[in-house]
Amino acid sequence: DVKVTQSSRYLVKRTGEKVFLECVQDMDHENMFWYRQDPGLGLRLIYFSYDVKMKEKGDIPEGYSVSREKKERFSLILESASTNQTSMYLCASSFAAPLNSPLHFGNGTRLTVT
Amino acid sequence: AQSVTQPDIHITVSEGASLELRCNYSYGATPYLFWYVQSPGQGLQLLLKYFSGDTLVQGIKGFEAEFKRSQSSFNLRKPSVHWSDAAEYFCAVGGVNTDKLIFGTGTRLQVFP
Repeated sequence: DVKVTQSSRYLVKRTGEKVFLECVQDMDHENMFWYRQDPGLGLRLIYFSYDVKMKEKGDIPEGYSVSREKKERFSLILESASTNQTSMYLCASSFAAPLNSPLHFGNGTRLTVT
Repeated sequence: AQSVTQPDIHITVSEGASLELRCNYSYGATPYLFWYVQSPGQGLQLLLKYFSGDTLVQGIKGFEAEFKRSQSSFNLRKPSVHWSDAAEYFCAVGGVNTDKLIFGTGTRLQVFP
């Protein structure tokens, strides 16, 4: 069974801090994604990666960056956290493009920025 | 523009009752349609998907969905709901022009005993 592990379930950070959200998958998937989930807005794609050291902007990349140095690990970085980045962050992976293979999600990291 | 609308934010049903969750999409080409479920404290899990062919699609956990092109809809149904079905349900659309999925805003299902 595919496992996508997000390192923290809850995080509380201060405005202006640099924040790292870590995600690891154990099924050798090529594709990895970061989504943000907010009530009334659903899931919005922040960044995705189809290969090591490759990254693509999603729909809401502003204020975020990502790193993929190893195939199994995809990190989301908030360079200078702001209160409007308080949200639930979901990492996902897939074997192939999401149209052709299901997305496997982690349990999420709930980030609060004060 | 591509979009997905889930008009019901919150639905409450009694255990054993039938269920229908609505999803309408806007997509310029042939859509690929999905339903995902998010149980409390969990990530999302794929319930079912439609690419082509038979417009009635069977999924896991006894769910099914019907694609109606004329109504731009892909509604999710279950004949008899169980308490464990309480969760949030997301409809999503994609297509060959983009392999990114666009998710709806979700419908939260509450099940009363």
